[in-house]
Amino acid sequence: AQKVTQAQTEISVVEKEDVTLDCVYETRDTTYYLFWYKQPPSGELVFLIRRNSFDEQNEISGRYSWNFQKSTSSFNFTITASQVVDSAVYFCALSAYMNRDDKIIFGKGTRLHILP
Amino acid sequence: KAGVTQTPRYLIKTRGQQVTLSCSPISGHRSVSWYQQTPGQGLQFLFEYFSETQRNKGNFPGRFSGRQFSNSRSEMNVSTLELGDSALYLCATQTGLNTGELFFGEGSRLTVL
Repeated sequence: AQKVTQAQTEISVVEKEDVTLDCVYETRDTTYYLFWYKQPPSGELVFLIRRNSFDEQNEISGRYSWNFQKSTSSFNFTITASQVVDSAVYFCALSAYMNRDDKIIFGKGTRLHILP
Repeated sequence: KAGVTQTPRYLIKTRGQQVTLSCSPISGHRSVSWYQQTPGQGLQFLFEYFSETQRNKGNFPGRFSGRQFSNSRSEMNVSTLELGDSALYLCATQTGLNTGELFFGEGSRLTVL
């Protein structure tokens, strides 16, 4: 069975601090996708990144970076020099890669508060 | 390009009533998925429709149903509402099946009294 665990339910950091959101996943598939989504107060989830399981290179996009480690089944997300606008709920998600009928499974989310 | 549109945005119902929520996908998006979001359970998958056919279904009772029209618009229906059905119902669309990037609407917030 597929499962995504985000152990941190809520995190608060002061603006400009770095923060890492953890994501651990379980899957029997050998190929799969991993995702991160951001949900601001408006409610609309926004896609941040998709990573294929066969590509373990870390990715950086501005202040955002993602660390994918297959050996520990983790796909962690780091925000560097956090800003108040980063306050949101962040979801990690997983889906099978080759199975076009598979659904995307989300973790329960981590609520991030960036304090001014 | 217009985003995913969900209506109504907010609604209040009483136990035993039924409700219909609507989702209009981004033009060209043929897959529509529905999720229920509650504080304790996070995002839970309800079902996915593609080309008017239900392709996948989550673990929800039969009171939850959906359909998709030829223009890809989708509706979900919840009958015999229970207090526990109070949630944010999110619609997500993508161009095809399991393409990876879901585009979400702002949701329909249902309160059951």
